[in-house]
Amino acid sequence: DAKTTQPTSMDCAEGRAANLPCNHSTISGNEYVYWYRQIHSQGPQYIIHGLKNNETNEMASLIITEDRKSSTLILPHATLRDTAVYYCIAQTGANNLFFGTGTRLTVIP
Amino acid sequence: DAGVTQSPTHLIKTRGQQVTLRCSPKSGHDTVSWYQQALGQGPQFIFQYYEEEERQRGNFPDRFSGHQFPNYSSELNVNALLLGDSALYLCASSSLLAIFLAASGDTQYFGPGTRLTVL
Repeated sequence: DAKTTQPTSMDCAEGRAANLPCNHSTISGNEYVYWYRQIHSQGPQYIIHGLKNNETNEMASLIITEDRKSSTLILPHATLRDTAVYYCIAQTGANNLFFGTGTRLTVIP
Repeated sequence: DAGVTQSPTHLIKTRGQQVTLRCSPKSGHDTVSWYQQALGQGPQFIFQYYEEEERQRGNFPDRFSGHQFPNYSSELNVNALLLGDSALYLCASSSLLAIFLAASGDTQYFGPGTRLTVL
């Protein structure tokens, strides 16, 4: 599984877009990029995943660079309830998920 | 449609005791994975069960064992508890059949966790 690198923490103003970056320069062709988030003391919540193309769902958008070495998770209108630790994971799937330390996003009123 | 459920919510044990944690997967899912999350750390994979057999295992000692039942629910057992076993234990479910058919990558859905405190 490819190693991912994320900033330790980020702040975002409420109502603004939150852009969370992730580097996965060693990702292989069959590895997906997954995003999960974990609100304090709760189980991780699946957000989105993708292989090559950009993806969008009701929660977020995932932008993957053409060389697939990095990606950005976009929360279009951050709310206070989006304050959480966000994990970027790159792996083939159907396997265990390797969580790093993630990015602690704080949405500020 | 119920999501992944876990019981109990909280548990307090003493060193040397044994504990059993339970998990019911999301409807339609056939695979259960267990994770341990120590305070301030990301979840760490313990093992995964499919068709009632351990399919994969992380770097955890044999004191950690599991079981999957015909209805896909699962148990995590920890023997000879140590203080360091205090953690949030998470269960995640997924569908391997869906993965093979759709080839769209695995999506694991997590339960709320069981908070184990070892004194």
